[in-house]
This record gives sequence, structure tokens and C-alpha cells, in this order.
Amino acid sequence: SYVLTQPPSVSVAPGKTARITCGGNNIGSQGVHWYQQKPGQAPLLVICYDIDRPSGIPERFSGSKSGNTATLTISRVEAEDEADYYCQVWDSSGDHVVFGGGTKLTVL
Amino acid sequence: QLRLQESGPGLVNPSETLSLTCTVSGGSISNSPYYWGWIRQPPGKGLEWIGSVFYRGNTYYNSSLKSRVTISADTSKNKLSLNLRSVTAADTAVYFCARQPAATAEYHFDSWGQGTLITVSS
Repeated sequence: SYVLTQPPSVSVAPGKTARITCGGNNIGSQGVHWYQQKPGQAPLLVICYDIDRPSGIPERFSGSKSGNTATLTISRVEAEDEADYYCQVWDSSGDHVVFGGGTKLTVL
Repeated sequence: QLRLQESGPGLVNPSETLSLTCTVSGGSISNSPYYWGWIRQPPGKGLEWIGSVFYRGNTYYNSSLKSRVTISADTSKNKLSLNLRSVTAADTAVYFCARQPAATAEYHFDSWGQGTLITVSS
């Protein structure tokens, strides 16, 4: 089955830039979506189709992709950005939605 | 404003069937050619997709759960349903319903319910 690999944790100081990666075989050919989840809350879509930012999501959030890795970048990190982040793709070979294991972002 | 609300028993006995409902308000399932998904999250762990259903009844399931899962859409009641058979403690999780804003299950999930915690225990 298709696997998306994320680092378990990323730490960043306020005001700096956080980069969270999501690796998967041939991920370049698939749309990658990113979710933010704070404790006790439902996930919130922050990036869809690699680079698109839904209405209401700050411009500090951006997405990119290169080779077999997609990256969620959060610029000028704020304390409120501390959360778990998940990437997601559609695995067309198995007709499956696949989530990455999640990355806990800690704002120092 | 679209709103999704999961409801369920809270506690289920091992080997029994878990039945959940997702009530959709602020929009009609039958008037929206979208897929609707169920996702779960065990305590302290990551997200796991269970399956997705089109308003006409087409479904996709996670192969690891496919033998135990049935997902359906009731357009007359504007509700989605999830049945998970022969549950074990490993099925203890927060269960979410969410919308995929397209007539394909390949899309992202743009609206989520708040989730409901289901505990499997005797």
C-alpha cells in the first residue's frame, strides 16, 4: 500500500520559517493536500493541490513539491501555528485516500 | 454555512457493530455532487481514512477495513451512515465525517464534523 512519510516533529522559534516534508513514491504526479489539527479539534485544510490556499488561510502558509517530496512552509511562525500537520493524497493504484503519519510542530 | 455533525453510541461492546450517523445541515446531499468521507483517529495517533460515498451511493473503502465496513448516504434525511462490524479495542477512535468537494473521491476534505469518540470496551 502507498505510504506517505512525514517527520514526527519539527521545532521552530517564533518569527522563523517552518518546513514540514511529506515523502512518497511518485508524489509528483499526485495532488497533495495539507491539514492542520489542534488538540481536541477537527483537521483544517490549509493547502490543497500542492499550492492552493483555501479562503481564510493566512498567506504565511504555502506548499511546494519537488521530486518525491512535498513541503508545507509556514513563514513568520506564530504561537498559534503549534499543531499537528498531515499531508494527504489519493492513491490511484489502490483507489485509496492516504494520510501521512503527521508532524507535530512545536513553537519554541 | 455547511455543518456536519457526527453522532453515535459512545461505547460499543467488542464483537458488536458500531453504527454512526453524520447529519449534514446548511446544504443538501442530493443537490451537491460531492463525495463524503469517514476518517478516524485513535487516541494520540494519526488520521486513518475509512471510506467515501457519493450521494448516489458509489463507494470507496480502505482495503484494511473493507470486509467490515459499510458506508451509505440517505438523501431523504440528508445523513451519512457508517457501520463497522466485529469491532475490537483497536477500533477505539474519534470518528470524523467530512466533505470532498467534487464528484470524485480523489479530492481533499474541505469541511469536517467535530468528531465523536467511540470506545470499544466491555
